[in-house]
Amino acid sequence: AQKITQTQPGMFVQEKEAVTLDCTYDTSDPSYGLFWYKQPSSGEMIFLIYQGSYDQQNATEGRYSLNFQKARKSANLVISASQLGDSAMYFCAMREINTGGFKTIFGAGTRLFVKA
Amino acid sequence: NAGVTQTPKFRVLKTGQSMTLLCAQDMNHEYMYWYRQDPGMGLRLIHYSVGEGTTAKGEVPDGYNVSRLKKQNFLLGLESAAPSQTSVYFCASSTGGQVNEQYFGPGTRLTVT
Repeated sequence: AQKITQTQPGMFVQEKEAVTLDCTYDTSDPSYGLFWYKQPSSGEMIFLIYQGSYDQQNATEGRYSLNFQKARKSANLVISASQLGDSAMYFCAMREINTGGFKTIFGAGTRLFVKA
Repeated sequence: NAGVTQTPKFRVLKTGQSMTLLCAQDMNHEYMYWYRQDPGMGLRLIHYSVGEGTTAKGEVPDGYNVSRLKKQNFLLGLESAAPSQTSVYFCASSTGGQVNEQYFGPGTRLTVT
């Protein structure tokens, strides 16, 4: 079964608007961490934001925020005020702390296109 | 700091040839990982290491071997390359702390003909 599902292969957003990238996950481990990574066209993977399963508040890092809905098992990434440089692939990932050790499982990714 | 570096950046192999990909990190990280990235499939973990001298299998270990003789280096070997191993290979490292975010190398594009 898919542990991380990103249902949007591609998304378009107008520059300066906000965009939400969807991610749902599946785990029976009560202790887990959720990540978002960005992969620009240059190819490198860049860590953006982290949410722990016991964190009470949604994580934020600058223009990035993670909309964490535990009961629905979703961890959507919200990018506010999109910029042209935000055009990239975005990957949602999960680490199951009790059962998975230090392994991280990645979703298939969403390609974001920011239009001028 | 150079962070995580990978050698080589590109390589073309013929079926049956062997090669070694080198990953080096200068952040004194305990944990290192090798992934492959294929279109539409995200990253899949091949092997990982939780410290010098240790290795463990990930999701897709068949056809690959690894070694971690020094803390800063993690080698990925292909003994007999197959076209199915055509992919982009990423190395990553992490501290092993609570968040354990991973720092990635620039990737190696491997084509097996």
